[in-house]
Amino acid sequence: GAGVSQSPRYKVTKRGQDVALRCDPISGHVSLYWYRQALGQGPEFLTYFNYEAQQDKSGLPNDRFSAERPEGSISTLTIQRTEQRDSAMYRCASSLRNEQFFGPGTRLTVL
Amino acid sequence: DAKTTQPTSMDCAEGRAANLPCNHSTISGNEYVYWYRQIHSQGPQYIIHGLKNNETNEMASLIITEDRKSSTLILPHATLRDTAVYYCIATVSGSARQLTFGSGTQLTVLP
Repeated sequence: GAGVSQSPRYKVTKRGQDVALRCDPISGHVSLYWYRQALGQGPEFLTYFNYEAQQDKSGLPNDRFSAERPEGSISTLTIQRTEQRDSAMYRCASSLRNEQFFGPGTRLTVL
Repeated sequence: DAKTTQPTSMDCAEGRAANLPCNHSTISGNEYVYWYRQIHSQGPQYIIHGLKNNETNEMASLIITEDRKSSTLILPHATLRDTAVYYCIATVSGSARQLTFGSGTQLTVLP
């Protein structure tokens, strides 16, 4: 079946612009996670949802970052007023039980 | 989540067993040991997890010491496609758990 998909795969934006990153989880998966990964490092947790409820947003770096999952399926991670330090790979994962399935990620570059 | 310690890098000859160690001396009684791997720029991929008994699946075996302070992931017949960064994570099991990735071990399988 279809895995986790993310769009866009690549996003180049100018500093100060807002960006929205989309995640389509595996159908039926209850939990959805967002991670950020810098080059050469492991993924870093940002936030996660069970169904439509945001359970933990402790990993969001600051209030420019927000996420939603209004219908308990697709999720959007929004970064407002982007800064160069926001450049990274943003990964989404979903899970039903113990195993998290990761998407291909969105490579964000802020110029 | 308990802190885990892994070697930065390892080499293994193709066709031989790859044994990847992980130390988790502060692991608590309800924390499992999970292994994920990340091939090049792809998203992390679940390999295996266990609590205290040794586990085996089609990808690998997981050996956990009796005191649970360390474990070893074994790839019985490494192939070039197993070249990846391998992450050992100690966390409570269940779907609604964020993963805390460390730096992992870069395994290079040599021809």
